[in-house]
Formats: sequence, C-alpha cells, structure tokens
Amino acid sequence: SQQGEEDPQALSIQEGENATMNCSYKTSINNLQWYRQNSGRGLVHLILIRSNEREKHSGRLRVTLDTSKKSSSLLITASRAADTASYFCATGVGTSGSRLTFGEGTQLTVNP
Amino acid sequence: NAGVTQTPKFQVLKTGQSMTLQCAQDMNHEYMSWYRQDPGMGLRLIHYSVGAGITDQGEVPNGYNVSRSTTEDFPLRLLSAAPSQTSVYFCASSYVMTGIRNTEAFFGQGTRLTVV
Repeated sequence: SQQGEEDPQALSIQEGENATMNCSYKTSINNLQWYRQNSGRGLVHLILIRSNEREKHSGRLRVTLDTSKKSSSLLITASRAADTASYFCATGVGTSGSRLTFGEGTQLTVNP
Repeated sequence: NAGVTQTPKFQVLKTGQSMTLQCAQDMNHEYMSWYRQDPGMGLRLIHYSVGAGITDQGEVPNGYNVSRSTTEDFPLRLLSAAPSQTSVYFCASSYVMTGIRNTEAFFGQGTRLTVV
C-alpha cells in the first residue's frame, strides 16, 4: 500500500502563479523527499527534508514538514511552463532512510 | 558520469517467458532498488539491496528475483512473465543516509515492458 497520499491529484495554474502540493503519510519516517517526473521518464530528485527539520528551501522550492500531523507541503513559486510534470512525495523509513515509499503523485500543469 | 543505466529501454515478452532487466550505477552507492510504475500511479517497491550480497523484498516482490554480486549491478529477473507484469520498471540507487550524507535517489530512465 502507498505510504504517502498527495493532494490534489491534479493542479492547473497560470505561469507566474504559485503551486502548492500536499503529502500525508501514515508511519514514522526518517526523511521525506519530493521528486519530479516528466512524461513517464525517470524521476528527478528535488529536495529532501529530514524528520528533525521543519522547513527547507531550494531555489523556487519550499518544503515544510509537520511530523505531528504526518504531512508535508511543496510550494513552487513563480511557476513556469517547464514546471509541468508529475510531482511525487516519498517517505524514507528505517535506520538508513534509504527505503522509499512513494505516493501516487500530483499532476501539475502550468499554462503559458 | 553515466549515473544509473537501465537496459533495455523497451521489451515485449510472451506470457511464460523469462528475462533479466539490467541496472548499473557508477556512483558507488550502497543502496539500489527496483520499482514498477503502472499508469496513473506512483512507484511500488519490488526489491532492494543495501550492499553487495544483501537483498530484500519490497512491497510487490512476487514473480521477480534479484541478486547483487557487485556494488555496481542490480539485475531484476522476471521468472515467468505474466500480463500483470506489464509496467514501466525503474531502477534507483542512493547512498545510505549518515549524519552528513543524504539519501537522494538517482533513477534510471526506465524499461517499458509489455507482456502479451
């Protein structure tokens, strides 16, 4: 079964707007990661946040983690058409944090 | 630096045939894993390995075997292909997380497998 659940399943916005995607999970985690996938190609890592962290930034990406609510959010600011892709959250469990369990993803469409 | 290389990119099998999907990484990562992705879904873990000689089952291991004789290679073997195994298969590798190292996974480009 999927550990993470993303919300919404699909999101359509205009260029320049911000996009927010949410992820909820069920069990204790070591870390939470966000990945992007373009058109069924391989996944590309975006950002990792450890369980003892609450917020991280990377360029136009901002990730928050609330372990008490078992939830995370990914914010993409000033979106571009090139951001159109599927976005997945993945929870890392176990002592190594390497075993990842993926959610079903959010399909983001950014309209020019 | 090639990263994670999967072969083949496409494959059509008949029901009952066996085959091996190849995966190689050149980043000296300890951890390697295989996922399958079905249409409109996330990735489901098939098998994983934390180092040479060590493998374990993931969420959906039935019908698949793996081995890890070297750090670089992690082949996935389909024993007797079934139509339910039609999917896109991804191999990934990462470091094991330590105090200073993170476990971001690097993915191959995938193998599209159709079983008829």
